[in-house]
Amino acid sequence: QVQLVESGGGVVQPGRSLRLSCAASGFTFSIFSMHWVRQAPGKGLEWVAVTSNDGSVQWYADSVKGRFTISRDNSKNTLYVQMNSLSAEDTALYYCAAETSGRYHPGEYWGQGTLVTVSS
Amino acid sequence: QSALTQPPSASGSPGQSVTISCTGTSSDVGGYNYVSWFQQHPGEAPKLLIYEVTKRPSGVPDRFSGSKSGNTASLTVSGLQAEDEADYYCSSYALSNKYVFGTGTKVTVL
Repeated sequence: QVQLVESGGGVVQPGRSLRLSCAASGFTFSIFSMHWVRQAPGKGLEWVAVTSNDGSVQWYADSVKGRFTISRDNSKNTLYVQMNSLSAEDTALYYCAAETSGRYHPGEYWGQGTLVTVSS
Repeated sequence: QSALTQPPSASGSPGQSVTISCTGTSSDVGGYNYVSWFQQHPGEAPKLLIYEVTKRPSGVPDRFSGSKSGNTASLTVSGLQAEDEADYYCSSYALSNKYVFGTGTKVTVL
């Protein structure tokens, strides 16, 4: 069955970096666009970034552009996000999600999320 | 890139219908037929209910339907059931290659 498993979350100090991973299985990873979506504690959903199925295109939310980098390794069925210059506003549960390419929605398959807490 | 506007709450009795609105601008909801809707139960990941305004993924009951008029999209849940009690979020593709979510609506089944 389809599985997306995020990892790499934890507590990090403001200004530091963190890399999240999302391991995919149960579907053909290389034909799906992949998103990161985050949810601050008790708050709503916020779209973060998306990469095309082959990794050649990346789009970002204004709130993370220039600080976050989304990437993927189709040979490892894994999605990544490198997060730099973290601040308290980046504290959230980070979900990865898979979108059938070309349907323009933030994901039909979702992981359970990994929690990032930015705090000194 | 402002969040789409949804009512904070909505409610209905079992068997009734509830409609949730999602208001954006001509740069998102009004400009593209790429509105989607998600259901999120507490402690769980979101679940896609509707994409491209009206389409349902396989396995989503036809009690869930979507529509759009101008800059406002709507999700209607017909024949409310207890398990429909959840948070609902709209989303839209937006100008300059972005996506935006709505503010979220908590649906209560009375």
